Amino acid sequence: DAMVIQNPRYQVTQFGKPVTLSCSQTLNHNVMYWYQQKSSQAPKLLFHYYDKDFNNEADTPDNFQSRRPNTSFCFLDIRSPGLGDAAMYLCATSRGQGGGNIQYFGAGTRLSVL
Amino acid sequence: DAKTTQPNSMESNEEEPVHLPCNHSTISGTDYIHWYRQLPSQGPEYVIHGLTSNVNNRMASLAIAEDRKSSTLILHRATLRDAAVYYCILERSNDYKLSFGAGTTVTVRA
Repeated sequence: DAMVIQNPRYQVTQFGKPVTLSCSQTLNHNVMYWYQQKSSQAPKLLFHYYDKDFNNEADTPDNFQSRRPNTSFCFLDIRSPGLGDAAMYLCATSRGQGGGNIQYFGAGTRLSVL
Repeated sequence: DAKTTQPNSMESNEEEPVHLPCNHSTISGTDYIHWYRQLPSQGPEYVIHGLTSNVNNRMASLAIAEDRKSSTLILHRATLRDAAVYYCILERSNDYKLSFGAGTTVTVRA
């Protein structure tokens, strides 16, 4: 059974039209992450939540926001998508306790911007 | 972020072992060494991790050099399903973050 679930698997939006991607987890993990992965590149961390504490990476554009209303759900909001935001968006979770912290990834949402 | 260096690609024959090297000369004493893999069109998948001692699990083995400046992921018998990009990543203790490098693309020949 999938433990980190991302919906939808494929999302098409228009240039400049806000879009929200969702992630849910059944692991009751403290930490939830959002990564962006462009074609043929490695995943790049955008931000993460430790419980309700939001941690933004220094180079994450302001166009990207996130919400975590409860332990199970986390959302990625792209306020005004540009063509350069077309990518795979990956959600991950971890316990966030001590070293050797294993991350569990969802299957990703592939975003296309027309 | 502490850096890792991996070969861009490696090829293997099915049923043969695969040894994937990783250099991490700037590793600090509390950094954990993680390996993840990413199959085509899927999210990354945890493979194994370690701190100082060699580690074994059902997927692979991790051999860590005594000075911890390098490590090797060992797939004991490669199958076609092991074709993926393998990432060697250092996790700073209590940082909870992974910084992915370019990884090694593993191709398995039937």
